[in-house]
Amino acid sequence: NAGVTQTPKFQVLKTGQSMTLQCAQDMNHEYMSWYRQDPGMGLRLIHYSVGAGITDQGEVPNGYNVSRSTTEDFPLRLLSAAPSQTSVYFCASSRSDRRTGELFFGEGSRLTVL
Amino acid sequence: AQKITQTQPGMFVQEKEAVTLDCTYDTSDPSYGLFWYKQPSSGEMIFLIYQGSYDQQNATEGRYSLNFQKARKSANLVISASQLGDSAMYFCAMREGGTGGFKTIFGAGTRLFVKA
Repeated sequence: NAGVTQTPKFQVLKTGQSMTLQCAQDMNHEYMSWYRQDPGMGLRLIHYSVGAGITDQGEVPNGYNVSRSTTEDFPLRLLSAAPSQTSVYFCASSRSDRRTGELFFGEGSRLTVL
Repeated sequence: AQKITQTQPGMFVQEKEAVTLDCTYDTSDPSYGLFWYKQPSSGEMIFLIYQGSYDQQNATEGRYSLNFQKARKSANLVISASQLGDSAMYFCAMREGGTGGFKTIFGAGTRLFVKA
């Protein structure tokens, strides 16, 4: 059982480059989300999805795009990377029919923008 | 709007003693869930404990308990009999909307150091 898989684990970009962080889950979870983690700021929600074809903005959506064409995948796109997007990114998923609905996290992707 | 506040950037505790990590929240939704997650130095996020807004009793999971004071909007995590392996970042989180809701936000975290 792979759970939530993020790729790549590490990435270095130059300012202005674009890239996509991949996230896939094999637990048939309806809900998926992306967070960024910066020192002293905890995890901040970027975008989330409550099902295929449905996405919404979180706390810090600027500079990021998402789409959800399947239940399993939720890629995060950086169209023109900026140094302020240097961070650790976490993808997470959860079930809607579980009372607790806790998040299952990927291992994180460390992105550096030069 | 949802808000989670953790006012303790760092905490020290002696091994085998109990420690309380503070968390306050703000929401206008009567149905919500509160969570605590642990992040060891290896970086993974580990779910510890959950408290629903309508739960009558404080949640407990092994050495973890959640001191839920609804009127004060606080959800403090109590770790009993601290162990060296408890040294980690701890995050409080809130999800609005009960079971069907999904959006979860986090506090800034508290780094716990357990001393031998």
